Amino acid sequence: SAVISQKPSRDICQRGTSLTIQCQVDSQVTMMFWYRQQPGQSLTLIATANQGSEATYESGFVIDKFPISRPNLTFSTLTVSNMSPEDSSIYLCSVEGRTGELFFGEGSRLTVL
Amino acid sequence: GDSVTQMEGPVTLSEEAFLTINCTYTATGYPSLFWYVQYPGEGLQLLLKATKADDKGSNKGFEATYRKETTSFHLEKGSVQVSDSAVYFCALGFSSGSARQLTFGSGTQLTVLP
Repeated sequence: SAVISQKPSRDICQRGTSLTIQCQVDSQVTMMFWYRQQPGQSLTLIATANQGSEATYESGFVIDKFPISRPNLTFSTLTVSNMSPEDSSIYLCSVEGRTGELFFGEGSRLTVL
Repeated sequence: GDSVTQMEGPVTLSEEAFLTINCTYTATGYPSLFWYVQYPGEGLQLLLKATKADDKGSNKGFEATYRKETTSFHLEKGSVQVSDSAVYFCALGFSSGSARQLTFGSGTQLTVLP
């Protein structure tokens, strides 16, 4: 299994500001995934972060709003830009295990006022 | 597209009761199926999985069998405990190139009362 650490674990932000979430994995992985879990909802994939190339975004998510960096095989960041209250969610980083399951970080709980 | 439909919650049971959380899926092809659990204030953890038809995944007293004929992966536990109170997510996944992406159900909140 992979150990995934996310920072911050939670934050309260003002409308219009941006927040960068960090994800550190204890082993090298090809792809890292960023999910959003809105209050009381299931998980929605935001994007897939590939090392050395642009992230691949899912329908409804754009790079200007959710820029992603992937500087090496163990680290990624997701920025939530120009935040509004609708961005209040838990943001989860995940990686794939050897047998296809996903491992998740504990999530970053974001509240936008 | 692929989708997962879960039994709506919330579900409230007394300790030692039998648990079933229904999950059905729609997919083209043969996905792997997963149950994840999210305890209060924590991230998701893989509970169990099955990768092909008739496989049974099991962990911590929970079981689920991959039923291709009914496209189902119902979660069961014979005797729940208070500590099982959590949100349970059913998910399916396919390999996409070299990695897997998952489609999640809406989640079922389980509360177990002492």
